[in-house]
Amino acid sequence: GQQLNQSPQSMFIQEGEDVSMNCTSSSIFNTWLWYKQEPGEGPVLLIALYKAGELTSNGRLTAQFGITRKDSFLNISASIPSDVGIYFCAGQGSNSGYALNFGKGTSLLVTP
Amino acid sequence: DAGITQSPRHKVTETGTPVTLRCHQTENHRYMYWYRQDPGHGLRLIHYSYGVKDTDKGEVSDGYSVSRSKTEDFLLTLESATSSQTSVYFCAISGRDTGELFFGEGSRLTVL
Repeated sequence: GQQLNQSPQSMFIQEGEDVSMNCTSSSIFNTWLWYKQEPGEGPVLLIALYKAGELTSNGRLTAQFGITRKDSFLNISASIPSDVGIYFCAGQGSNSGYALNFGKGTSLLVTP
Repeated sequence: DAGITQSPRHKVTETGTPVTLRCHQTENHRYMYWYRQDPGHGLRLIHYSYGVKDTDKGEVSDGYSVSRSKTEDFLLTLESATSSQTSVYFCAISGRDTGELFFGEGSRLTVL
């Protein structure tokens, strides 16, 4: 599959801080998505981006679809303890039945 | 909830035995996917389906087969389980070609 490089691998921050993570690929994607996974559960969709340059917000979360279509970032503002989890970027190409290629995840820990 | 049920949720088996995991959806979605999740690898696509009896291979399909005889059910079979297939398996569904996948809660398989 098409490889996505997600960074950082992990983050340990204090409540109230802002968080930024990003994802890059050598391939172009038609759609970029960000998921969050909590222990023992499946990934849950946070934000989906459909157009190059698109900037989309969902509450305290903001994500952007890079102009080159090869990258995306996710920002979380004013983090809270329930933001803890693993965040995955995912890109959708035009093959494999619209399946997603996933990054390896960013593990976020937030201390009160 | 996206109306996805995976079974069994946990299974321990021995090397060489056959194993079948079931994904059941109540959303009447066209696309269904099986991913495996392993530490350091993120989520990797095993097989996917784009309709009844229409399936295709993903990135890590060796040792796995699938079947979809009804819209609502997508079965993943390990004909002869190996220790390298110890993993958490996630089913996902999608009703559109936009890449918005909805995941089940996962099936944890341990092969001894």
